[in-house]
Amino acid sequence: SAVISQKPSRDICQRGTSLTIQCQVDSQVTMMFWYRQQPGQSLTLIATANQGSEATYESGFVIDKFPISRPNLTFSTLTVSNMSPEDSSIYLCSVPGAAGELFFGEGSRLTVL
Amino acid sequence: AQSVSQHNHHVILSEAASLELGCNYSYGGTVNLFWYVQYPGQHLQLLLKYFSGDPLVKGIKGFEAEFIKSKFSFNLRKPSVQWSDTAEYFCAVFYGNNRLAFGKGNQVVVIP
Repeated sequence: SAVISQKPSRDICQRGTSLTIQCQVDSQVTMMFWYRQQPGQSLTLIATANQGSEATYESGFVIDKFPISRPNLTFSTLTVSNMSPEDSSIYLCSVPGAAGELFFGEGSRLTVL
Repeated sequence: AQSVSQHNHHVILSEAASLELGCNYSYGGTVNLFWYVQYPGQHLQLLLKYFSGDPLVKGIKGFEAEFIKSKFSFNLRKPSVQWSDTAEYFCAVFYGNNRLAFGKGNQVVVIP
């Protein structure tokens, strides 16, 4: 299984600011995924981050709000832009395993005031 | 879009009681199915998975799940729970390109 590290683990931010979340994996992976886990809700896929190309966003998520970088095969960032209290959530980075499962980081808990 | 339904979001039971968590999915084709567990303060961990073969799958910590194709279900069971099983449990269905659709989760509290 992959070891996935996320930073920050938690943060409290002001409305209108932006926060960048980092995800580091201990092995090279082609695809990395960013999920959001809102309070009391299931995990929702935001986008797939592919190295060397633009991220692929799911319905309801746009690049201007959630820009993603993928500079190499072990690292990705997700930025939550112009934050509002509705963006308060846990943001999770994940990578696929060899058997089709996903491995997750510990998540970044964001609170927007 | 694929959907995954988990019922009884909050479950409270005593140690040694049996646990069963229901999971139903909407996808009609070949499926890969997963249960994940999230212990308090920890990250999501894979509990067990089903790809093909024996529909009764055994996972870690005494958990098992049964795939019933005709019912589009993948229910999770444990015959005798422990306090350490207190966690949130998520059912997930693979629907292509390594993407998983997740249910809303079951918050399970085991009382010593």
